[in-house]
Amino acid sequence: GDSVTQMEGPVTLSEEAFLTINCTYTATGYPSLFWYVQYPGEGLQLLLKATKADDKGSNKGFEATYRKETTSFHLEKGSVQVSDSAVYFCALSYGNKLVFGAGTILRVKS
Amino acid sequence: GAVVSQHPSWVICKSGTSVKIECRSLDFQATTMFWYRQFPKQSLMLMATSNEGSKATYEQGVEKDKFLINHASLTLSTLTVTSAHPEDSSFYICSARAAAGGGRDTQYFGPGTRLTVL
Repeated sequence: GDSVTQMEGPVTLSEEAFLTINCTYTATGYPSLFWYVQYPGEGLQLLLKATKADDKGSNKGFEATYRKETTSFHLEKGSVQVSDSAVYFCALSYGNKLVFGAGTILRVKS
Repeated sequence: GAVVSQHPSWVICKSGTSVKIECRSLDFQATTMFWYRQFPKQSLMLMATSNEGSKATYEQGVEKDKFLINHASLTLSTLTVTSAHPEDSSFYICSARAAAGGGRDTQYFGPGTRLTVL
């Protein structure tokens, strides 16, 4: 079945460091891919998405490129801030459902 | 745009009572709403998918008689946890998918409801 694998956390970085959170997927067909972010005590917010191969989603300095050849959708940000501390979920949508990865906790220290 | 609200944001109840959680899409119509459960430090588990005007589709292992879902309109779905027990304590999250337009493949999430059963 369809599945999403994310790198295990927590990921701890200093402010202004470069961030990469790896995400790979297994799916039949061509799913849409998403990154959601969950700040402490809040619900999930859509961070960015890509609907087809080679699309790049971007938002708030974060970006991810839909790589069909490597079935990946890695999340990157050039310079993280303390306010980026949250849980990040990679997900795919194929048909009616969203399939989530396990989530990666990001902690940014000042 | 694309705001989803949930009410209440948290609830504490006694074992054996029933609790209703509302999920509303505030600025768009949602033909499909989803209910998830999130355990501490874990990912979201899809419980059921509800379509406006029809019965919900439950995921394997989810008791439909315990978790009653009603999707009465294009902007409102409710989840009722019947005869709640401490093991039902969790964070319940709903999401909604737009009925039309470019966002149809995107789910917009509510802020979640923290249920604690004593």
